[in-house]
Amino acid sequence: QQQVKQSPQSLIVQKGGISIINCAYENTAFDYFPWYQQFPGKGPALLIAIRPDVSEKKEGRFTISFNKSAKQFSLHIMDSQPGDSATYFCAATHTGGFKTIFGAGTRLFVKA
Amino acid sequence: DTAVSQTPKYLVTQMGNDKSIKCEQNLGHDTMYWYKQDSKKFLKIMFSYNNKELIINETVPNRFSPKSPDKAHLNLHINSLELGDSAVYFCASSLRDPRDTQYFGPGTRLTVL
Repeated sequence: QQQVKQSPQSLIVQKGGISIINCAYENTAFDYFPWYQQFPGKGPALLIAIRPDVSEKKEGRFTISFNKSAKQFSLHIMDSQPGDSATYFCAATHTGGFKTIFGAGTRLFVKA
Repeated sequence: DTAVSQTPKYLVTQMGNDKSIKCEQNLGHDTMYWYKQDSKKFLKIMFSYNNKELIINETVPNRFSPKSPDKAHLNLHINSLELGDSAVYFCASSLRDPRDTQYFGPGTRLTVL
């Protein structure tokens, strides 16, 4: 059962463009929504995260938009750079269940 | 200083063998995790440990046995390896619970022949 659905599977964006990755979840018990960035051969690293009582969070070029009623959230990367080329995972955490469920990942390629 | 370290980085073995992967964190965190990332990059939680106690076993076969000798270490022992066990295994840690930032190790690529 895929509790966190992520799209698109892959994304190609021109340098300077906006990258948008979308996620949807099913379990209303999720109470924390992080995004992780993974470069080839490395472990995932936390990029930005949001709690469900906030509709938007911005850190530098990265913004999470969160829609609690629709059970959807998205990552926007502004002014995308070739160095942003990586796999991005959305995730949802159920603190009571002590686990984090990851989306299937989006491979982002930013063309120079 | 490496925050979360894993050994070995690569592991190639035959079906039916038993192998172990070691994980250590020097962050002083209370909680550690094991994740499996398959060939399609899908990342799935296997185990969560808090203060050396097992909290979550996410329907992992009994062939997988985690062991936490202390809060800084969480090792993964796998018995009777199968072809389907081939994957990258990541150890991670967080301060208290999953809402705290999870720091991942570099991964161990296991190949079962």
